[in-house]
Amino acid sequence: DGGITQSPKYLFRKEGQNVTLSCEQNLNHDAMYWYRQDPGQGLRLIYYSQIVNDFQKGDIAEGYSVSREKKESFPLTVTSAQKNPTAFYLCASSPYLGQSSNSPLHFGNGTRLTVT
Amino acid sequence: QKEVEQNSGPLSVPEGAIASLNCTYSDRGSQSFFWYRQYSGKSPELIMSIYSNGDKEDGRFTAQLNKASQYVSLLIRDSQPSDSATYLCAVNGGGGSNYKLTFGKGTLLTVNP
Repeated sequence: DGGITQSPKYLFRKEGQNVTLSCEQNLNHDAMYWYRQDPGQGLRLIYYSQIVNDFQKGDIAEGYSVSREKKESFPLTVTSAQKNPTAFYLCASSPYLGQSSNSPLHFGNGTRLTVT
Repeated sequence: QKEVEQNSGPLSVPEGAIASLNCTYSDRGSQSFFWYRQYSGKSPELIMSIYSNGDKEDGRFTAQLNKASQYVSLLIRDSQPSDSATYLCAVNGGGGSNYKLTFGKGTLLTVNP
């Protein structure tokens, strides 16, 4: 079955440590995204990538970094510079059909990160 | 700043009733509109998409779009307890950013048996 796999499901880290969240998709989608969700809040875009070796900052990129070395993979690193890293992180993908794309996003199951 | 506004609820309806969820958006150039359902602790799942003015029906769900009023809604007929979830409205940006979705904060729906 095609889908998006995020791992781990739960992650605990001490303040000051960098942590990398994994996201892998086998849907052959070009575009991949990282969103953050806080309790009672909507999803906020961290980073997105339309093609391999290219990615763009979203609305809240500070304290995060990404890479897109392979089409299937889009890992997110939460650095120690991120002031409030505890959140639910969602990876998503969609077919990228150019500027007129109207494809919905498909989400992974999420990673719940807790930093203490 | 593109905005998508939803009533946070909670919206409580009895089983079998019609639930009506509303969403307004600020970007007049938006072309694509989506409704996602999110159960507590889970990731969002797509339930409806709509791209042109009017109604679109899929089973018990009907999405309604009015671009002139910048308004999109979701009706759930014959509501079931299993419909209890947060419903997220998402809108594509117009122009060069139409591959990014902006999400509302969601409306919590509770269907009472």
